[in-house]
Amino acid sequence: AQTVTQSQPEMSVQEAETVTLSCTYDTSESDYYLFWYKQPPSRQMILVIRQEAYKQQNATENRFSVNFQKAAKSFSLKISDSQLGDAAMYFCAYTVPLQGAQKLVFGQGTRLTINP
Amino acid sequence: DAGVTQSPTHLIKTRGQHVTLRCSPISGHKSVSWYQQVLGQGPQFIFQYYEKEERGRGNFPDRFSARQFPNYSSELNVNALLLGDSALYLCATWTVKETQYFGPGTRLLVL
Repeated sequence: AQTVTQSQPEMSVQEAETVTLSCTYDTSESDYYLFWYKQPPSRQMILVIRQEAYKQQNATENRFSVNFQKAAKSFSLKISDSQLGDAAMYFCAYTVPLQGAQKLVFGQGTRLTINP
Repeated sequence: DAGVTQSPTHLIKTRGQHVTLRCSPISGHKSVSWYQQVLGQGPQFIFQYYEKEERGRGNFPDRFSARQFPNYSSELNVNALLLGDSALYLCATWTVKETQYFGPGTRLLVL
C-alpha cells in the first residue's frame, strides 16, 4: 500500500523553541525520495527539505533537519529556533515510480502553530 | 526564471458544467503533474505527463482528462462537475533529484 501517516494533526510550539513533526510511510521500493512540504494560508506548496533514501546521512537545511530511519520507514522533521513564519500545514511525501516518471504520495498534514 | 504558473487562480462553476485549468511548467522543463487537494487533506495525484505523453493516472473517474502541448504547458479538464470536485488543483514540475515544484494552484468551487 502507498500510504503516508502523519499522526499529529496539530502541533504548537513557543517561538524560538524546537518542534518535531512525525511521519511514517509504506513502500516496497528500495530507492525513493522523501520530502517535507510547507503550505501556508496562501496554499502555495513550498519545498522544505528533501532526503534520498539511499543516503544514510540525514538532510539538513538551515533550521530544518530530518531523522530518517529507513528500516522503520520513519521520516521526522525537526524545526529548530521556531519562527512565526514557520506557522503552516506541513506535509510529508515520498516518490512512487510510474512509467519513466514518478508521483508523490502525501500524508494528511500537520498544522503547526507558533506561539509568540 | 518564472516558476510554475497556473490559471485561473479562482473559479466558480455549477454542477454539471465543464472546467479547464491551465498550467505552464518552469521554462525548459518537460514534465507536468496534476494534484487535487480537498480542504483539510493532502494532495492526491491525478495525472503525470512527460514529453507530451501520459505517464501515470491516479484513481480519478473518466470525467477527468488532461493533455500536454508541444510547449509543455498542460490543461486539466473536468466534465460534469460534482460538488465533490471543489478543491485546490495543483500543478507541479520535476526538477533535479526527483523534486516536484508546485504552482500556486487553482481554487475551484462547484455550487
